[in-house]
Amino acid sequence: QVQLVESGGGVVQPGGSLRLSCAASGFTFSSYGMHWVRQAPGKGLEWVAFIRYDGSNKYYADSVKGRFTISRDNSKNTLYLQMNSLRAEDTAVYYCAKTGYFDYWGQGTLVTVSS
Amino acid sequence: DIVMTQTPLSLSVTPGQPASISCKSSQSLLHSDGKTYLYWYLQKPGQSPQLLIYEVSSRFSGVPDRFSGSGSGTDFTLKISRVEAEDVGVYYCMQGIHLPPWTFGQGTKVEIK
Repeated sequence: QVQLVESGGGVVQPGGSLRLSCAASGFTFSSYGMHWVRQAPGKGLEWVAFIRYDGSNKYYADSVKGRFTISRDNSKNTLYLQMNSLRAEDTAVYYCAKTGYFDYWGQGTLVTVSS
Repeated sequence: DIVMTQTPLSLSVTPGQPASISCKSSQSLLHSDGKTYLYWYLQKPGQSPQLLIYEVSSRFSGVPDRFSGSGSGTDFTLKISRVEAEDVGVYYCMQGIHLPPWTFGQGTKVEIK
């Protein structure tokens, strides 16, 4: 069965960096595009970034453009999100999700940006 | 960017009764390929979101047939024919045509009376 397991969340100071990982299993990871989506405490869902199956194209929400970088290692079945210049408003649970229409989601990892 | 507007934002339903959620997009979600890229998700309390409906009306694997989706163009509806206790949570619609960004509705919280 499809499994997506996020890791790498934690508490970081404003201006700091963090790298999230999403380990995928149960499907051919290298054949599917992948997303990052976040949810601030008590709020709705916000799309963050998408990467095509081969890493050839990447798209970002305006709110993170220039600060976050999505990448993948198909040999390791792993998706990444490098987050730099973090702000308080980046505090959220971050989910990875499979394919263009988010058919499977991980359990999420909490990122807290606070001094 | 496409704006997705859901109504109502909250809903209290008696078990066994129907429920309906509306989702309106600021632009048509009909693609030139003939498909309409509108999706519905449910986020149960303490869980990650799960896909319920894709392309307006197709139920995802394992989704009970009491869930149905309908609509076209800019107006869409998710219906639950007979609400059960396990259906509580927040429902989101999402558009997948005018990309990026992928955009979600604000969410509709469904609770049991």
